[in-house]
Amino acid sequence: DGGITQSPKYLFRKEGQNVTLSCEQNLNHDAMYWYRQDPGQGLRLIYYSQIVNDFQKGDIAEGYSVSREKKESFPLTVTSAQKNPTAFYLCASSIPAGSSGNTIYFGEGSWLTVV
Amino acid sequence: AQSVAQPEDQVNVAEGNPLTVKCTYSVSGNPYLFWYVQYPNRGLQFLLKYITGDNLVKGSYGFEAEFNKSQTSFHLKKPSALVSDSALYFCASSGGGATNKLIFGTGTLLAVQP
Repeated sequence: DGGITQSPKYLFRKEGQNVTLSCEQNLNHDAMYWYRQDPGQGLRLIYYSQIVNDFQKGDIAEGYSVSREKKESFPLTVTSAQKNPTAFYLCASSIPAGSSGNTIYFGEGSWLTVV
Repeated sequence: AQSVAQPEDQVNVAEGNPLTVKCTYSVSGNPYLFWYVQYPNRGLQFLLKYITGDNLVKGSYGFEAEFNKSQTSFHLKKPSALVSDSALYFCASSGGGATNKLIFGTGTLLAVQP
């Protein structure tokens, strides 16, 4: 089945620890995105990538890092610099990258909790 | 700056009655508008979008939305609500240009009572 796979579904982070959320898509989409969801705040864009080996900061990039070495993969690392990382993280993708109005499709999300 | 507003945190409706979930936008250039639905602990599912053309857009699961340029609104509607429609609904906009970034509203929780 085609789709966007996020793993793990639940992840616990200790203070001072970096963790990485995986996102893989087999839709042959050019663009990939990471959003953070907090109650009452909607979704906020962390990072996005329009093409392999290129990515841009979104609205809340501080404390996060990404890589785009393959078209299919866009992992998100939550670093120890992110002081309030507890949230629901959503990966998304769309095609093509170069124009607005194309539908963005989402994965099932990953819960990150600080313990 | 671009923004999307969903003025109601929650909408309650009885099963079988029509439902409306409101959305207004502030976007420079041509607005591209989307509706998504989210069930508990799940990702967002695409319902419908307006790009251009007919102001009434039909989407999945019997939902439709009306684009109103003069009122800068894009309300989601369904003629007859189902209990299974109960979920969190998000309106979003991308304002045109070379990138496809979506700006989301804060979401509206739809509760359909049997």
